[in-house]
Amino acid sequence: RKEVEQDPGPFNVPEGATVAFNCTYSNSASQSFFWYRQDCRKEPKLLMSVYSSGNEDGRFTAQLNRASQYISLLIRDSKLSDSATYLCVVNPRANQGGKLIFGQGTELSVKP
Amino acid sequence: DTGVSQNPRHKITKRGQNVTFRCDPISEHNRLYWYRQTLGQGPEFLTYFQNEAQLEKSRLLSDRFSAERPKGSFSTLEIQRTEQGDSAMYLCASSSGVSSYNSPLHFGNGTRLTVT
Repeated sequence: RKEVEQDPGPFNVPEGATVAFNCTYSNSASQSFFWYRQDCRKEPKLLMSVYSSGNEDGRFTAQLNRASQYISLLIRDSKLSDSATYLCVVNPRANQGGKLIFGQGTELSVKP
Repeated sequence: DTGVSQNPRHKITKRGQNVTFRCDPISEHNRLYWYRQTLGQGPEFLTYFQNEAQLEKSRLLSDRFSAERPKGSFSTLEIQRTEQGDSAMYLCASSSGVSSYNSPLHFGNGTRLTVT
């Protein structure tokens, strides 16, 4: 089993749609979780950290379910500019500052 | 510019040659990471440093790969006897490492390696 798994997509949605991505991780001791965004042929950039209680940043909502070992990202009112690959990132161990493992990414395409 | 800087941006080399890439992290960041990314995949962890200490190296990484961060500032990644399978984007990232959990990574633009 991979340490971090995502649905590769692609997700093709119309503008204004709500879309949700899920990501599962294998180590129940994992403590740090992030969502990154990567545009075509660019470097990944932090979208948001994921906190235990869930957190929201504008149209974006991140949730953590420790019991089921998955995190989710919800995008409301999709914009054309949201088209990108979304990467789930997890520290697979409980220690501070260790390696961060990326999922394979979920591609989103928002159409007019 | 205070972001992560990587050089060169592109490298084309023949199979069997050695290549070296450089990464200059954000100056106050003490953690530095190397990742490799191929088309359609997420970044794959290679190694990371805390200051000058290399704390972890991926078991998937062959002995042809070596990384250094001699003074805890810039880092180099060397690939010896390159193979066509080494063709990829090599990404460097840094983080501050001051919180009790992982701090987010800040990536450079990457070095795209093509082995012919």
